[in-house]
Amino acid sequence: DTAVSQTPKYLVTQMGNDKSIKCEQNLGHDTMYWYKQDSKKFLKIMFSYNNKELIINETVPNRFSPKSPDKAHLNLHINSLELGDSAVYFCASSPLDRDYNEQFFGPGTRLTVL
Amino acid sequence: GESVGLHLPTLSVQEGDNSIINCAYSNSASDYFIWYKQESGKGPQFIIDIRSNMDKRQGQRVTVLLNKTVKHLSLQIAATQPGDSAVYFCAERTGYSTLTFGKGTMLLVSP
Repeated sequence: DTAVSQTPKYLVTQMGNDKSIKCEQNLGHDTMYWYKQDSKKFLKIMFSYNNKELIINETVPNRFSPKSPDKAHLNLHINSLELGDSAVYFCASSPLDRDYNEQFFGPGTRLTVL
Repeated sequence: GESVGLHLPTLSVQEGDNSIINCAYSNSASDYFIWYKQESGKGPQFIIDIRSNMDKRQGQRVTVLLNKTVKHLSLQIAATQPGDSAVYFCAERTGYSTLTFGKGTMLLVSP
């Protein structure tokens, strides 16, 4: 009965490689997000998707691209990985509700670029 | 007590004490606020929320206070337990579905 799931949990790769992180939510939410958490625990929004449309892109390098095959999935593709991409990446989802904006987070994917 | 370390501000308390975690937010137009708890190796978990037309909201052992005049939010945890040890984030809604997170405070509870 996992609400928001991500795979893989850990990802170790070499600089220059291309990798993907998958995210799925079974909450029926309309909006999904990707966040990056750095070593100081700072959480920064990268993308959000609403009904397959990108609605936020917080000046993230274009090496990062979100892809949403359907409403329940938002995958993150990263090309030409750099050392500075090492971080924990969190997927989240929320209902499209103007009154409340609780976002439900996945367990995170720790990406290490060597 | 509370200290600002090289990384995260840290609040150290004894089990059974009441804890108060503070947060300053940036946007006076923000209308909705959330506190999240993040345990080691896990994603942030919702604790409690408050809308800008309220100044206090209570949950189970937690209370959130909102002072819009000085743009300040606090989370009070009653009878703190070792299981409360985590990093706590405040977040404000700054856009239609956008949450902006604060820098986080680490709460350490000693038995």
